[in-house]
This record gives sequence, C-alpha cells and structure tokens, in this order.
Amino acid sequence: DSGVTQTPKHLITATGQRVTLRCSPRSGDLSVYWYQQSLDQGLQFLIQYYNGEERAKGNILERFSAQQFPDLHSELNLSSLELGDSALYFCASSPDREGSREQYFGPGTRLTVT
Amino acid sequence: AQKVTQAQTEISVVEKEDVTLDCVYETRDTTYYLFWYKQPPSGELVFLIRRNSFDEQNEISGRYSWNFQKSTSSFNFTITASQVVDSAVYFCALSGYTNAGKSTFGDGTTLTVKP
Repeated sequence: DSGVTQTPKHLITATGQRVTLRCSPRSGDLSVYWYQQSLDQGLQFLIQYYNGEERAKGNILERFSAQQFPDLHSELNLSSLELGDSALYFCASSPDREGSREQYFGPGTRLTVT
Repeated sequence: AQKVTQAQTEISVVEKEDVTLDCVYETRDTTYYLFWYKQPPSGELVFLIRRNSFDEQNEISGRYSWNFQKSTSSFNFTITASQVVDSAVYFCALSGYTNAGKSTFGDGTTLTVKP
C-alpha cells in the first residue's frame, strides 16, 4: 500500500459529460502528480501541484483541469468527455517541490467513456 | 524535445535467466533525471530508481542493476536470476533537472518470466 488513495476506482460515463477524479496524497507529501495511461498515448504526465500551486504542466488538454486543496488532496476534472479520454488515470505524491524524488502512486481510476 | 525509446516491446525469459531491458533517450538538456518504473499485472505503478545525469555510477539493488552510459544516451536495466514475480511492464522515463516531475515516458517493455 503506497498510502496514496484515489476515488473512484472505476467510472463509466457518456461522451460530453464531466467527471471529477479525487486523489489523497501520502501523509506529509506536498506534491501531487496526475498521469494518464491509455493504449493510444501510453503513459503521459499531465500536471503537478505543490502545496496548492501548479508546479509543472505536461500534455494536459484544455478540457481538463486540476487543483490541489488546502488539505493537499487533489481533484482532476475532465469535461466534454470524448471516447479517446478512456484511460487509467494515476495520481502520485512526493514530498519535494522539484519532482525528482521517489513518487508513490495510487491504484488509479479507470475511466470508460461510452 | 525529450524522447525515450524502449525498443523491446515484449521479452520472454525462463525463470533464473538474466534479462536486460534497454532504454535510449534524447534530450537537449545538459542535466536531467532518468527513472525506471514497474507496473505489475495488478496495475499499480512502482518507482524503482532515479539517476542524475551527472552521476554515471552504476547501481545495484539486490537482483536489479542499472547501467547508465551518457556517451550512448542509454540507461539499461538488468534483472539477474529473474523470477516469475518480475513479470510486469517496465517503463523508462526522462525529465529535466528543473521541473523534474514533468517526465517523458517510453512505451514500456512487457517482461514475462516463465517458470
């Protein structure tokens, strides 16, 4: 158990809808990272937050947004969903701002868009 | 732009064989980080190692070892005396020295270890 929790585990929704994925980091970790893993795109870094502030941005679509709250949990919002958004979404956490230290991954949320 | 190539899509070995997973990278950065991750059949991602670009010392951790060669832009991963539990997808990743959380991943190598 990495100490990182993600909810829900599975999510099935229709095209055009909006969903929110939630992540709680390990106790004491200030950085949260979001990743997308799909058959088409492979494993991609989406975004990193450190102590509530956006720290690094990757291949995150404009339809997607994220935030980190004062209690350090993070949410990834996906809107106007398309079939191609079906993927496994991982959250990870680490104690550092730079992102170079070991990251601990949650179990992932499997999103299916129909 | 950064790029990571894991040319071996799938590897199959018999238990106790040694196996090397290749990783070749491209970057214009002079300092950077390299990582390896493991994704077993259960699906979770597990961090294995981080290497700084200015530290070319090879590293060994139990049956795992990593060979970093800056001259050939490679960061290969060797499992000695493989076991069935090593069966997983292994990802190599690269990030800049600043914003190290912004990683570029290879496509992964699926390793199957047969008993």
